[in-house]
Amino acid sequence: QVQLQQSGPGLVKPSQTLSLTCAISGDSVSSNSAAWNWIRQSPSRGLEWLGRTYQRSKWYNDYAVSVKSRVIINPDTSKNQFSLQLYSVTPEDTAVYYCARAGDPTTYAFDIWGQGTMVTVSS
Amino acid sequence: QSALTQPASVSGSPGQSITISCTGTSSDVGSYNVVSWYQQHPGKAPKLMIYEDSKRPSGVSNRFSGSKSGNTASLTISGLQAEDEADYYCCSYAGSSTWVFGGGTKLTVL
Repeated sequence: QVQLQQSGPGLVKPSQTLSLTCAISGDSVSSNSAAWNWIRQSPSRGLEWLGRTYQRSKWYNDYAVSVKSRVIINPDTSKNQFSLQLYSVTPEDTAVYYCARAGDPTTYAFDIWGQGTMVTVSS
Repeated sequence: QSALTQPASVSGSPGQSITISCTGTSSDVGSYNVVSWYQQHPGKAPKLMIYEDSKRPSGVSNRFSGSKSGNTASLTISGLQAEDEADYYCCSYAGSSTWVFGGGTKLTVL
């Protein structure tokens, strides 16, 4: 049974970096049939896909245009987890952040989700 | 890209059927057969209910079904039950390795 466990701070100051981690159990971040995603949800923006990391013959990353200039999603194979770093945050980045898997056979859908982390951007 | 368009709310009585629409464009819903639907109860993470327009993941009730015509996808829930009351979101691949969600529909079981 695949599970995703999120961790990270719930409060970030404006202009600083939001950092979250998603630990994977029951699957591998290096799987050739899965992609590891970050999605956020806020009342103003609804559900918003932020980006993903995945390995095929090499590691790939894709990011949403809305955050592309200030986001990095990294795998950590030694700990079987992946992380989100969102730089230069503003109050608009206040949201519940989810990690999610897109796996076989639901390649283009998110079949496993983390529990969510409420992140507030405030001084 | 813009969010997919869903009705803000729908309602139905126990035992009835309801349908939630999800309208996109020829660049997302209309181009790829990969619309997915998610159920979200308050304070919980979304749960995948339908993928690739009409496929159900293992464990999802066959009361849930999906379809698509042109740029509009639909989720139908038959035999409504109290536990179906939740928010429902559609999602589509939008090309260039990006995804777009709908604004969500609140289902009320009367």
